[in-house]
Amino acid sequence: DQQVKQNSPSLSVQEGRISILNCDYTNSMFDYFLWYKKYPAEGPTFLISISSIKDKNEDGRFTVFLNKSAKHLSLHIVPSQPGDSAVYFCAARAHSGAGSYQLTFGKGTKLSVIP
Amino acid sequence: DADVTQTPRNRITKTGKRIMLECSQTKGHDRMYWYRQDPGLGLRLIYYSFDVKDINKGEISDGYSVSRQAQAKFSLSLESAIPNQTALYFCATSARRSGANVLTFGAGSRLTVL
Repeated sequence: DQQVKQNSPSLSVQEGRISILNCDYTNSMFDYFLWYKKYPAEGPTFLISISSIKDKNEDGRFTVFLNKSAKHLSLHIVPSQPGDSAVYFCAARAHSGAGSYQLTFGKGTKLSVIP
Repeated sequence: DADVTQTPRNRITKTGKRIMLECSQTKGHDRMYWYRQDPGLGLRLIYYSFDVKDINKGEISDGYSVSRQAQAKFSLSLESAIPNQTALYFCATSARRSGANVLTFGAGSRLTVL
């Protein structure tokens, strides 16, 4: 049973417009949510995170919104640039015992920003 | 040089062969992980280690083993490779206290089992 879901495998956006990537989760014990970006032939790189006690976190062009009641988060990229074209993974953190935490990843959404 | 280095980057092998994927890091992080990515799937955790004497199974550890030779080195072994272990493998590290559990990933090792 998938605990972190990214229901859109792909998304195309015009350069300069807003990109909105969505993520749903089922485990109410997740306490942190993270977004990673992955370019071809490279490993994922951390983009932005949000604690479950917040509803918004902003870093430059990237903003993550969290709606705990709906178990939904979204990543907004404004304005979108061609260099943002990548696969974006949503990840959620839960306590896994003995003071440790584990991340659960979604399947990813491939974003294409069209010049 | 990359913070997290994986070798080999690409490997083609045959069913039944023993394969080792190696990972080394210069981040000075205590924690190291091995993940697997399959097409259309997210990253799934195979094994993780919080220090040299600590090894823990992840979500999909069957058919794999690991060795933490030093703080900076964490290797993944497939004792007898099978075709459904064909995947992209990522090593990652994190600091003991990294807030949101931010992982630093290597570039990946693509394994094909024929």
